[in-house]
Amino acid sequence: GAGVSQSPSNKVTEKGKDVELRCDPISGHTALYWYRQSLGQGLEFLIYFQGNSAPDKSGLPSDRFSAERTGGSVSTLTIQRTQQEDSAVYLCASSAGSHSNEQFFGPGTRLTVL
Amino acid sequence: GENVEQHPSTLSVQEGDSAVIKCTYSDSASNYFPWYKQELGKRPQLIIDIRSNVGEKKDQRIAVTLNKTAKHFSLHITETQPEDSAVYFCAVATGGGNKLTFGTGTQLKVEL
Repeated sequence: GAGVSQSPSNKVTEKGKDVELRCDPISGHTALYWYRQSLGQGLEFLIYFQGNSAPDKSGLPSDRFSAERTGGSVSTLTIQRTQQEDSAVYLCASSAGSHSNEQFFGPGTRLTVL
Repeated sequence: GENVEQHPSTLSVQEGDSAVIKCTYSDSASNYFPWYKQELGKRPQLIIDIRSNVGEKKDQRIAVTLNKTAKHFSLHITETQPEDSAVYFCAVATGGGNKLTFGTGTQLKVEL
């Protein structure tokens, strides 16, 4: 079956604009994660969804960042009033659930804020 | 929160030699330790993982060892090949949520 997909693959925006990044997890996966990878750095956890539970937002760097997951499938990460330091690759991952640890990553969205 | 340190940041080996990458973590409640390989411009891919009830796991040329007492774990790649060249990340998960805390990565270069 299809893996995790993300869109767009690249996004260039101007400082102060809002952006939306989309993630389509593997069908049937109940857990969905967002990470951020800055140039030459490791991955930084942002937010985690598990089924119908309240999301774990502990990694969101500021209140300009938010995410939602509709219908337990597709997720959207929104960054409001983008700043240059938001430039990074945003990676989404999904896993089968709380009893399965392996996370499958999407190809990422490269965000550039001018 | 969890803190993961990874060493070395770069590693260059000759083809056929072994490579070892080490990570330490801070939270003794951590229970899942995956290793990801990321080629340039590609997504991270899981290559091996270990859970806290196991001390060692091997998959062909790749092995991972875990020392819970010392809170460190290592990736071992034997008989390295040029296609092993990539950035390798260790990660740690704590509790049931499985959110991963990543190390800063090791750039492995396998030279002919």
